[in-house]
Amino acid sequence: SQTIHQWPATLVQPVGSPLSLECTVEGTSNPNLYWYRQAAGRGLQLLFYSVGIGQISSEVPQNLSASRPQDRQFILSSKKLLLSDSGFYLCAWSRASYEQYFGPGTRLTVT
Amino acid sequence: AQSVTQPDIHITVSEGASLELRCNYSYGATPYLFWYVQSPGQGLQLLLKYFSGDTLVQGIKGFEAEFKRSQSSFNLRKPSVHWSDAAEYFCAVRGRTGANNLFFGTGTRLTVIP
Repeated sequence: SQTIHQWPATLVQPVGSPLSLECTVEGTSNPNLYWYRQAAGRGLQLLFYSVGIGQISSEVPQNLSASRPQDRQFILSSKKLLLSDSGFYLCAWSRASYEQYFGPGTRLTVT
Repeated sequence: AQSVTQPDIHITVSEGASLELRCNYSYGATPYLFWYVQSPGQGLQLLLKYFSGDTLVQGIKGFEAEFKRSQSSFNLRKPSVHWSDAAEYFCAVRGRTGANNLFFGTGTRLTVIP
């Protein structure tokens, strides 16, 4: 069966520091991968998605970036965090056009 | 463009009572529709999905949803709510062409009282 991992589970970082969140999927190959952000009391906002290694589409212009160095690895990064980057970050995967399955999330607090 | 409206921000029901969570979507054709549930501090779990065929779909944990094209709705129902159903519920829509992105509603928080 397929599983999706995210780490770290929680992170507290000062403003201006770098960020790296990692997501890995097991049990499937060539998945579509997604990064979402969920702000307190709000729905999910799609940040990036990828249909293959090195292929990244950005949905929202911001100081975040994403990379997919391996088939089942998806990384969310920032060179300098802003207070507004605080939130709950969720990674998801899907097979082509089908439903998305979500990881456990990373709670990021920027201080 | 696709969009989803969940008009109820917060719903409180008694344990054992029936439940209906509303979802309305905007899309030019028949979309793919989903309901997800999120417990506090957790990821989202897929409850059910509609792609085609029977407009009444069954999901996990005793939930069902009915797709009504004429009303652009995909309401989630459960005949008897359990205390463990307290969570946040999200409706999502995806178009049948183009990117695989999901568009989520802002969620409905369900509180269950004994």
